[in-house]
Amino acid sequence: NAGVTQTPKFQVLKTGQSMTLQCAQDMNHEYMSWYRQDPGMGLRLIHYSVGAGITDQGEVPNGYNVSRSTTEDFPLRLLSAAPSQTSVYFCASSYFGSGRGADTQYFGPGTRLTVL
Amino acid sequence: GDSVTQMEGPVTLSEEAFLTINCTYTATGYPSLFWYVQYPGEGLQLLLKATKADDKGSNKGFEATYRKETTSFHLEKGSVQVSDSAVYFCALRDDKVIFGPGTSLSVIP
Repeated sequence: NAGVTQTPKFQVLKTGQSMTLQCAQDMNHEYMSWYRQDPGMGLRLIHYSVGAGITDQGEVPNGYNVSRSTTEDFPLRLLSAAPSQTSVYFCASSYFGSGRGADTQYFGPGTRLTVL
Repeated sequence: GDSVTQMEGPVTLSEEAFLTINCTYTATGYPSLFWYVQYPGEGLQLLLKATKADDKGSNKGFEATYRKETTSFHLEKGSVQVSDSAVYFCALRDDKVIFGPGTSLSVIP
């Protein structure tokens, strides 16, 4: 299993540009989510999904869109990049249930985004 | 809405000292609680978890007990090592997974 993969690893954008951060998992997890990590702020939830076709907003959704057309993929779209969106972005997935590994978040390696 | 609060860092301890990192939460339901650790230059990984009140999670000498009456999940370790230097995140899972701001720990020889 590749686990959770994210692309790209690094990206530099100019203010106003749009882009899509890719996230994929091969573990058949129902739950997927996007976080941004900023110094002193921890991980803040942007959007999450509990299954294909279902998405919901997290703590800081403004300026970001998501879709979940398949179980495996959960792309994050920046509509019009702003310097305040400079951050490290992590995708994570997990499965529901009562077993030992249930609800454990598996994280991708992260995407470091800079908006100039 | 749901939220997680952790003690402010950074925390600096000498090797073999006792560690406590406080975590309290607010949730509308009955969440599962987690501690994750992020070592320098790495991603987050699960340290321990508890799924219901009075459960104790433990791993690598770390422990935390789910206290529903005080809505807390404090992380403890009896004797820290230099290799424990990392950022520790408390998290909860209700309908979604929310993380606290993290507490940076430095252990000096």
